[in-house]
Amino acid sequence: EAGVTQFPSHSVIEKGQTVTLRCDPISGHDNLYWYRRVMGKEIKFLLHFVKESKQDESGMPNNRFLAERTGGTYSTLKVQPAELEDSGVYFCASSQDHSYGYTFGSGTRLTVV
Amino acid sequence: DQQVKQNSPSLSVQEGRISILNCDYTNSMFDYFLWYKKYPAEGPTFLISISSIKDKNEDGRFTVFLNKSAKHLSLHIVPSQPGDSAVYFCAATNFGNEKLTFGTGTRLTIIP
Repeated sequence: EAGVTQFPSHSVIEKGQTVTLRCDPISGHDNLYWYRRVMGKEIKFLLHFVKESKQDESGMPNNRFLAERTGGTYSTLKVQPAELEDSGVYFCASSQDHSYGYTFGSGTRLTVV
Repeated sequence: DQQVKQNSPSLSVQEGRISILNCDYTNSMFDYFLWYKKYPAEGPTFLISISSIKDKNEDGRFTVFLNKSAKHLSLHIVPSQPGDSAVYFCAATNFGNEKLTFGTGTRLTIIP
């Protein structure tokens, strides 16, 4: 079974630019989550999709962040315009049911300079 | 306001000995707790969990203990092996809520 795939693995952009992160969950997993870890700090929840619907987006920092999950398959997280404080590792995870043993992807390391 | 705290950023343990990683939480609504293990350049991997109706859960070399009155949990690894060297994250949630609240992690190094 293929795992959760994220790309790019690294992205370096200038402040003010736009970046789009992509996540492909495990096939058949209705639940998809985005989390973020800022340097050395805790991993923080951003949002949760059930199929194509946003179930909980309480962790989204501000309206510069836009997440979509078209057709209930892969998801994208767009940051526009990027700010320095957006730097960190963005993790995607998926699960089939109400299971907390999510499967995480390897993350996208975003650096805003 | 950090609701899940891992106060030890790092821990070194001799191979074969017991590793004890600690976690404290402040939110009394949390009733389900998990430990994740993370290697460099990889995502966190689920390790073990415990519900608040229990005070202990064991899986092979890994045991999690929960002290609800103290709002404290710990992960015991025995015996510790070199492959256990990783960052360990404690996480908590209210069962039925899909959102996990993580701690800042503890880097465990097993010394051969």
